[in-house]
Amino acid sequence: TQLLEQSPQFLSIQEGENLTVYCNSSSVFSSLQWYRQEPGEGPVLLVTVVTGGEVKKLKRLTFQFGDARKDSSLHITAAQPGDTGLYLCAGVYSGSGNTGKLIFGQGTTLQVKP
Amino acid sequence: DTEVTQTPKHLVMGMTNKKSLKCEQHMGHRAMYWYKQKAKKPPELMFVYSYEKLSINESVPSRFSPECPNSSLLNLHLHALQPEDSALYLCASSQGDRVTGELFFGEGSRLTVL
Repeated sequence: TQLLEQSPQFLSIQEGENLTVYCNSSSVFSSLQWYRQEPGEGPVLLVTVVTGGEVKKLKRLTFQFGDARKDSSLHITAAQPGDTGLYLCAGVYSGSGNTGKLIFGQGTTLQVKP
Repeated sequence: DTEVTQTPKHLVMGMTNKKSLKCEQHMGHRAMYWYKQKAKKPPELMFVYSYEKLSINESVPSRFSPECPNSSLLNLHLHALQPEDSALYLCASSQGDRVTGELFFGEGSRLTVL
């Protein structure tokens, strides 16, 4: 069974704090994506990483793909209440079929208090 | 604004009703998906259509019946549902790219079964 371990599952912090969410697997990914989902909405794609060691930045969000393409992290600097939501990592394992079937992590519910 | 449109946004139905969820995308994507999502959990894959043909059925009960009339439309027909089927039903589309599998989600249809 291919598993994507995401941690922590819940995080409640004050505005201005930094945080990191982790996504780990024992298998190699072809690519890995991060989504954010706000209450009452569908998930929205934030970033896709494909190359081992890749680092991508989206304003205060920094995404890193492990050198071996088995893990990824999302770091948020100076969190704001607008960052509140469910963060999902999702990976396409090497060898997946043409439909690009994604395996989702368990999700991280982030609450940023003003 | 999402480019994947789902209707209705909310649906309440009894266990003997027949209803349908609808999804539309005009991005030229050739793969379309139905996911089921419970609160604060990741989406669970139900069905995948690739080039208008059903390519994945994740052992979903027959009371859920998907239909893909053309490359832009995806329906989910519901019949004799159970209260535990209450959830957010998400439609998504992708280019069917093998490497990235990036998904574009609709806002979802919130289903309540009484």
